[in-house]
Amino acid sequence: DVKVTQSSRYLVKRTGEKVFLECVQDMDHENMFWYRQDPGLGLRLIYFSYDVKMKEKGDIPEGYSVSREKKERFSLILESASTNQTSMYLCASSYRGGLYYEQYFGPGTRLTVT
Amino acid sequence: AQRVTQPEKLLSVFKGAPVELKCNYSYSGSPELFWYVQYSRQRLQLLLRHISRESIKGFTADLNKGETSFHLKKPFAQEEDSAMYYCALGGNNNTDKLIFGTGTRLQVFP
Repeated sequence: DVKVTQSSRYLVKRTGEKVFLECVQDMDHENMFWYRQDPGLGLRLIYFSYDVKMKEKGDIPEGYSVSREKKERFSLILESASTNQTSMYLCASSYRGGLYYEQYFGPGTRLTVT
Repeated sequence: AQRVTQPEKLLSVFKGAPVELKCNYSYSGSPELFWYVQYSRQRLQLLLRHISRESIKGFTADLNKGETSFHLKKPFAQEEDSAMYYCALGGNNNTDKLIFGTGTRLQVFP
């Protein structure tokens, strides 16, 4: 059973703080993704990694960075949190090499920036 | 540009009624289409993919390239179908990224 875990279910941070969101998968997937989920806006891709130390910007990368030092771990970093980054953050992973492979999602981290 | 449109934010039906969740896409190549579902307090998960031509939990979806649509259908809705449904589009060469729609919340009343 694929497991994608995220470090926190709920997080409250202050404006200007540096925030780390961690995601770990245990299925040896090459691809890992970070999304924002907002009502009325759906899921929007922030960053995508297809291999260790490799990353691609998604649709809304501004204000975020990522790190992938190990295959199983993908971190999302908010360098200086702002209130408009209050959202649900979803991590996902999948095998590389074909859209036949489904994306497996973590439970999400609800981040509130005050 | 690639785009996925789900025109309905909310769809409410009674148990036993037919359901159709609409999804239209914009893509110039050969699309790969998916439906993902999120039940209350559960994680987002794949419901079905067009390439498999499968029926999952009574749901089916047919890719209509002429109308650029991939509507999700079920002849008789059940209360346990209440959830958030997202249509997703892929198909770019050399990338496994998906573009998700804005989602439709399905409410099935008893």
